[in-house]
Amino acid sequence: TQLLEQSPQFLSIQEGENLTVYCNSSSVFSSLQWYRQEPGEGPVLLVTVVTGGEVKKLKRLTFQFGDARKDSSLHITAAQPGDTGLYLCAGAAVGGSRLTFGEGTQLTVNP
Amino acid sequence: GAGVSQSPSNKVTEKGKDVELRCDPISGHTALYWYRQRLGQGLEFLIYFQGNSAPDKSGLPSDRFSAERTGESVSTLTIQRTQQEDSAVYLCASSPRTSGGAAYNEQFFGPGTRLTVL
Repeated sequence: TQLLEQSPQFLSIQEGENLTVYCNSSSVFSSLQWYRQEPGEGPVLLVTVVTGGEVKKLKRLTFQFGDARKDSSLHITAAQPGDTGLYLCAGAAVGGSRLTFGEGTQLTVNP
Repeated sequence: GAGVSQSPSNKVTEKGKDVELRCDPISGHTALYWYRQRLGQGLEFLIYFQGNSAPDKSGLPSDRFSAERTGESVSTLTIQRTQQEDSAVYLCASSPRTSGGAAYNEQFFGPGTRLTVL
């Protein structure tokens, strides 16, 4: 069974601060996705990374896939209260059709 | 366009009763997934449908859990003889296609059904 560990589990910061969320595994994934979930709603896809070492930027969010495709990070610059939510990483096994989700990072950005 | 819908949005039941949770995927999406999410935690995979067949049901926690899909559309997750530990949000997601490892296709999630077993 492939496992994804996310850290930190909880993060509370002030508006304007930077933060990084980590997603680690001992297994290799063919791709990795990051989702954001707000209360009472399902997760919404932010990005998919496929190539080892790949870096993708989405406005103030920067996503990186590790060279060995075992880990990923999400960096948010100048966090805003609207960034508050549960951030989930999800990995797709090589040749698989299902995603393995991490436990999530609950981010709170205080005004 | 319509997204993934789930019903009911909330379900409160007594221990030992059976419940049925419904998922209407996005039209034309061939892949459908069920997940369970306990409070403040990540998603626990339950079952995956490709069309009407379920090639991966390895996440179903016990034989009290079953699911079916008909017409390559609506899916029903049934929990028999519910227990308090079944209390969680049950999420359904659909994906336009998946074949031979295309799990990187985006999964579109419904809002979930919050199940409370008293």
